[in-house]
Amino acid sequence: NAGVTQTPKFQVLKTGQSMTLQCAQDMNHNSMYWYRQDPGMGLRLIYYSASEGTTDKGEVPNGYNVSRLNKREFSLRLESAAPSQTSVYFCASREPGHFTDTQYFGPGTRLTVL
Amino acid sequence: DAKTTQPPSMDCAEGRAANLPCNHSTISGNEYVYWYRQIHSQGPQYIIHGLKNNETNEMASLIITEDRKSSTLILPHATLRDTAVYYCIVRVALPTGGFKTIFGAGTRLFVKA
Repeated sequence: NAGVTQTPKFQVLKTGQSMTLQCAQDMNHNSMYWYRQDPGMGLRLIYYSASEGTTDKGEVPNGYNVSRLNKREFSLRLESAAPSQTSVYFCASREPGHFTDTQYFGPGTRLTVL
Repeated sequence: DAKTTQPPSMDCAEGRAANLPCNHSTISGNEYVYWYRQIHSQGPQYIIHGLKNNETNEMASLIITEDRKSSTLILPHATLRDTAVYYCIVRVALPTGGFKTIFGAGTRLFVKA
């Protein structure tokens, strides 16, 4: 049981390049999330997927797209990377429950955009 | 639209109890209070959650006031490895009917030898 895995762990891009961050969970959770964390800051929600086939915007969705490929996988795509997107990106999945919110996080992807 | 208020930092001596406070005065009746922590640059780690009653697990205890407007996370015997940022969280309802979790700045706990 690996929990939540993310690839890659580190990435350096040039401005304008595109890339996809991959996330997978093996806990059979319906809900998955993408967050970004800037230095010294809390996490901010980019996009989330309440269930397979659905995605919704979070607090900071501009410049990103997501795909919920199946129940296990939720990817985040940067179409044209900008220096402002330099951050650490965390994927999470959530245990089911209407009033509960126990989330399990991946190790993060550290992205630098030059 | 922060829903919780926490002190930015706290110190604790190794082996002593660490008591981390959180105010959540606008919490609704059926919402849980959650605590996570983030060690260095790792992904946040779930610690504990509660609704009304005090809760305890192998990591910590959670004390929730009777009016549910505040809570305290207790690490009974803090170790150097407990140095981390601790987040107190309640969810925010979305117009779409779902919820989102807001991670604020949290409390940076320094455990000192």
